[in-house]
Amino acid sequence: DTGVSQDPRHKITKRGQNVTFRCDPISEHNRLYWYRQTLGQGPEFLTYFQNEAQLEKSRLLSDRFSAERPKGSFSTLEIQRTEQGDSAMYLCASSARGAGELFFGEGSRLTVL
Amino acid sequence: GENVEQHPSTLSVQEGDSAVIKCTYSDSASNYFPWYKQELGKRPQLIIDIRSNVGEKKDQRIAVTLNKTAKHFSLHITETQPEDSAVYFCAATYNNNDMRFGAGTRLTVKP
Repeated sequence: DTGVSQDPRHKITKRGQNVTFRCDPISEHNRLYWYRQTLGQGPEFLTYFQNEAQLEKSRLLSDRFSAERPKGSFSTLEIQRTEQGDSAMYLCASSARGAGELFFGEGSRLTVL
Repeated sequence: GENVEQHPSTLSVQEGDSAVIKCTYSDSASNYFPWYKQELGKRPQLIIDIRSNVGEKKDQRIAVTLNKTAKHFSLHITETQPEDSAVYFCAATYNNNDMRFGAGTRLTVKP
């Protein structure tokens, strides 16, 4: 296990299509986070899990976004009916419980045409 | 939820000079304040962090100070080098519950 991995690294889709991203965290980490980052901005919090429980979801996240972590290991982030404004880098991160370093994946870049 | 403000958005210094980046946060319950460095096209990586029970932490050329009363914290880089050029993000959280990041500071170190 060399770190957090995300798949796919790049996704180009047409407006209105659904897309799904996968994140595999560091195996012993029970917390998993999703962030969105656009050019020139900091990571914007979307949601996070402790084990399989989704503990918080950003109020900025529309109903088109849904995230799961069914077995407390990998997580998926689905965006339904994509819009051009959804174009961004989607970053996943994991951490051990409590305050401490977040380890980020390389990100999944989404382009909506 | 937590709100983190970061200044300046861009900073240009001469090699060898010092750089200071400042952040403020809104939630007095926050107890962990990390700083991340993101190079172009790469993932953010932790460079230093501080917990609420200390006021200052240093690691070689990098230091962070925390003022809990004023709810602000700062990153100090001394003897800057060209490889310090990157975007730096501050963050604040209570026990990693929902770590919120600042908008970032693009640091350019001119040789």
